[in-house]
Amino acid sequence: SQQGEEDPQALSIQEGENATMNCSYKTSINNLQWYRQNSGRGLVHLILIRSNEREKHSGRLRVTLDTSKKSSSLLITASRAADTASYFCATDARFGNEKLTFGTGTRLTIIP
Amino acid sequence: DGGITQSPKYLFRKEGQNVTLSCEQNLNHDAMYWYRQDPGQGLRLIYYSQIVNDFQKGDIAEGYSVSREKKESFPLTVTSAQKNPTAFYLCASSRGSGTGVGNQPQHFGDGTRLSIL
Repeated sequence: SQQGEEDPQALSIQEGENATMNCSYKTSINNLQWYRQNSGRGLVHLILIRSNEREKHSGRLRVTLDTSKKSSSLLITASRAADTASYFCATDARFGNEKLTFGTGTRLTIIP
Repeated sequence: DGGITQSPKYLFRKEGQNVTLSCEQNLNHDAMYWYRQDPGQGLRLIYYSQIVNDFQKGDIAEGYSVSREKKESFPLTVTSAQKNPTAFYLCASSRGSGTGVGNQPQHFGDGTRLSIL
């Protein structure tokens, strides 16, 4: 079953604008991770945020986590054409069986 | 360079045939995973292994089999019992075993695309 659901399913923005993607999940988690997937390639890990953290930054990426709302957001600032990809959240359920559960992804297109 | 190598990149299966997808890693990771990705979908876990000679079923293990005889290798066999095998298969690895694999980033190969002839 899919633990995470990304929103929106698809997003198109102009280069230079900021992109925000959201992830909602159903059960309590230990950690939440974000990954990027370029077309036809494997996933690349972007950032991991623990359940006791509220915000984390990595370069142009900013991730927030609201455990009370069971949601996370990924913000990409000053978008570039190379950011065009699908973005997935993955959760590690607190009472799960030691595996990650991936959401369905947001397809981001940056228009030059 | 350390990483995960999946082969072949494309694979075609005839009806009634078993096929094996290769996954090799030189990251010295304990845990390895196989995922299936269907068009426009997220990843679904097929099997995972946290240590050599041990593996567990994921969410969609029926019609698949794996082995973990070496730390570096985690091959996936798609058997004839898997009636809808057409998909993109991704192998991943991570550090850690036992509790806590979920707090480790997973490193992915570039996938094998399997189709039916």
